[in-house]
Amino acid sequence: NAGVTQTPKFQVLKTGQSMTLQCAQDMNHEYMSWYRQDPGMGLRLIHYSVGAGITDQGEVPNGYNVSRSTTEDFPLRLLSAAPSQTSVYFCASSPGTGLMEQYFGPGTRLTVT
Amino acid sequence: GNSVTQMEGPVTLSEEAFLTINCTYTATGYPSLFWYVQYPGEGLQLLLKATKADDKGSNKGFEATYRKETTSFHLEKGSVQVSDSAVYFCALSPSRGNQGGKLIFGQGTELSVKP
Repeated sequence: NAGVTQTPKFQVLKTGQSMTLQCAQDMNHEYMSWYRQDPGMGLRLIHYSVGAGITDQGEVPNGYNVSRSTTEDFPLRLLSAAPSQTSVYFCASSPGTGLMEQYFGPGTRLTVT
Repeated sequence: GNSVTQMEGPVTLSEEAFLTINCTYTATGYPSLFWYVQYPGEGLQLLLKATKADDKGSNKGFEATYRKETTSFHLEKGSVQVSDSAVYFCALSPSRGNQGGKLIFGQGTELSVKP
């Protein structure tokens, strides 16, 4: 049982490049989400999904796209990277909505130059 | 709206000292409250939680009590160890009807414990 996995662990992009951050979970969790962590700001929700085929925006969705074609996978796409997207990105999953604990992946550290 | 405010860090303590990290929240309804811990280079792990007023969450010697009258969820430990050095996040999950189980985090408090 691997839990929540994220790849890559580190990435450097040039401004304007695109890339996809991968997230997968093997716990059959319905709910998955993406957060970004910036110094002094805690974690902020980017996008989330309550099940396959369903996604919605969080607090800071601009510049990011998501899709959820399977229960297991929830990739995050940066269409045209900007220096403001330099951050640490965490994927999380949960068995259900509302009051359930979330399980976090190890994070992806992204630098945009 | 919903928000979480934590005491600013970094907090530096000597081993075996008493720890308090303050957390207050603003929320409508009856949120659930959480403390997550992030060890260096790792993702967040759930430390403890409380789902209703006056509940006490506890784990690994850490405790926090859900105080609705003061809208607080302060984290305490009686005797910290060097291995407790980490960043601690207070978070809330809004009350039932919350779409997608979103967590709202405080800014995090870095704890450094010296031998």
